[in-house]
Amino acid sequence: DAGVIQSPRHEVTEMGQEVTLRCKPISGHDYLFWYRQTMMRGLELLIYFNNNVPIDDSGMPEDRFSAKMPNASFSTLKIQPSEPRDSAVYFCASSLALGSSYTFGSGTRLTVV
Amino acid sequence: DQQVKQNSPSLSVQEGRISILNCDYTNSMFDYFLWYKKYPAEGPTFLISISSIKDKNEDGRFTVFLNKSAKHLSLHIVPSQPGDSAVYFCAARRKGGSEKLVFGKGTKLTVNP
Repeated sequence: DAGVIQSPRHEVTEMGQEVTLRCKPISGHDYLFWYRQTMMRGLELLIYFNNNVPIDDSGMPEDRFSAKMPNASFSTLKIQPSEPRDSAVYFCASSLALGSSYTFGSGTRLTVV
Repeated sequence: DQQVKQNSPSLSVQEGRISILNCDYTNSMFDYFLWYKKYPAEGPTFLISISSIKDKNEDGRFTVFLNKSAKHLSLHIVPSQPGDSAVYFCAARRKGGSEKLVFGKGTKLTVNP
C-alpha cells in the first residue's frame, strides 16, 4: 500500500481564496482524521470520520472550515475564505480502529498571504 | 485542558549519548501510550508504544518507560544518532480503545555529531 496520500504538498494562496486539501486513506482503514500542526498548538485534531461519516468536528476552528468524505478512498478539507492565520501544515491520517496507531500522510503546507 | 503534556519544546544531545524525552498525562483512564517521530516535510510515523500493564517496552535503541503512579512516561534513545533528530510526539488512549488518541505538542530533538 502506498500509505496515506495527500495533495497538494504545498499550497500558497491569497487571503480570501478557497483552498481544498485532499486525502486518500489506506484501503481498509475505517477511520480518517484531519490534523493541523502549528508551533503554538502542536497537533490539533480538526475532524474525524468513521466509515465516511463525520463523527467529531469539534476541533474545526470556524465555519470557514468544512470537510467531506464522499467515499472510503477520498476526503477533502476546504477553507473558504482562507485567512493568513490558517497557514499551517495539515495532515490526514487513517487507522483501522479509533484507538489504534494512526498512519499519517506527508502533509500539506498551506501558506495564506 | 491539555491531557498530554510534553513540557520541553526542544532537547539537544551529543551523538552517542542518551536522549530522554518526557511526557506527562493527567487522565488516569489512559491505558495505552504511543510515541511518534516526525521528520521535516514528512508526516509523523509510529515509533513505539506501551500498554499500562507494563512499565517498560524496548525496541532496539528505543525504550519507553511508564510510571503510572506519577502519570509519566519517557522515551530513551541509546545511543543517540544524528538521524534521530526529529520532533517526537507522545500520544495516549483511553481504556477500551473507543476514543481517539490524544497527542502532546511535541519535543524537537537535535542530535549533534
